[in-house]
Amino acid sequence: GQNIDQPTEMTATEGAIVQINCTYQTSGFNGLFWYQQHAGEAPTFLSYNVLDGLEEKGRFSSFLSRSKGYSYLLLKELQMKDSASYLCAAESGDSNYQLIWGAGTKLIIKP
Amino acid sequence: NAGVTQTPKFQVLKTGQSMTLQCAQDMNHEYMSWYRQDPGMGLRLIHYSVGAGITDQGEVPNGYNVSRSTTEDFPLRLLSAAPSQTSVYFCASSKTPTHNEQFFGPGTRLTVL
Repeated sequence: GQNIDQPTEMTATEGAIVQINCTYQTSGFNGLFWYQQHAGEAPTFLSYNVLDGLEEKGRFSSFLSRSKGYSYLLLKELQMKDSASYLCAAESGDSNYQLIWGAGTKLIIKP
Repeated sequence: NAGVTQTPKFQVLKTGQSMTLQCAQDMNHEYMSWYRQDPGMGLRLIHYSVGAGITDQGEVPNGYNVSRSTTEDFPLRLLSAAPSQTSVYFCASSKTPTHNEQFFGPGTRLTVL
């Protein structure tokens, strides 16, 4: 079957670094998305990885290993506004354009 | 650019009632989709469209209909509401079906009594 696993909740301290992991199993694979979703709001795009390796975008970086079916989102210099859920979604590569979504990781930032 | 707009933001229905959730985008995106989001679960695809006049079923299509008469609009119809359809509904659009970020509307919070 197709599924995505990510931790339900994580806690980190303001100013610190946190890594949110995501493992996936899909029938075919095109790429992996990360979205941020603040409580009561819509998801917003953070990153898209197609090739293996790390892609950095400001305080946020995303890593992909296609052979291991593994990705992580790295958040540096955490700020209180980073408190949100982080959604991992795999583009399966089959013909019906569906993304396989994880349930999200709720990140709580403490001062 | 308004992006993706959805109406209404909140709705309460009684079991058996029908209604239409509206979705529109002004980015000339070909791909549009409807998701529902329930606590503890990932976003689940209800229906999607790869262009005007073309729609297809997603993971959880039962009890919902869609149409795509224009590039801009993609309404979702609940035929006969059931308590199991209580959820948050998001409409999303992207330039193409793959390899592109999706832009989400603000969501509709639906309660079915």
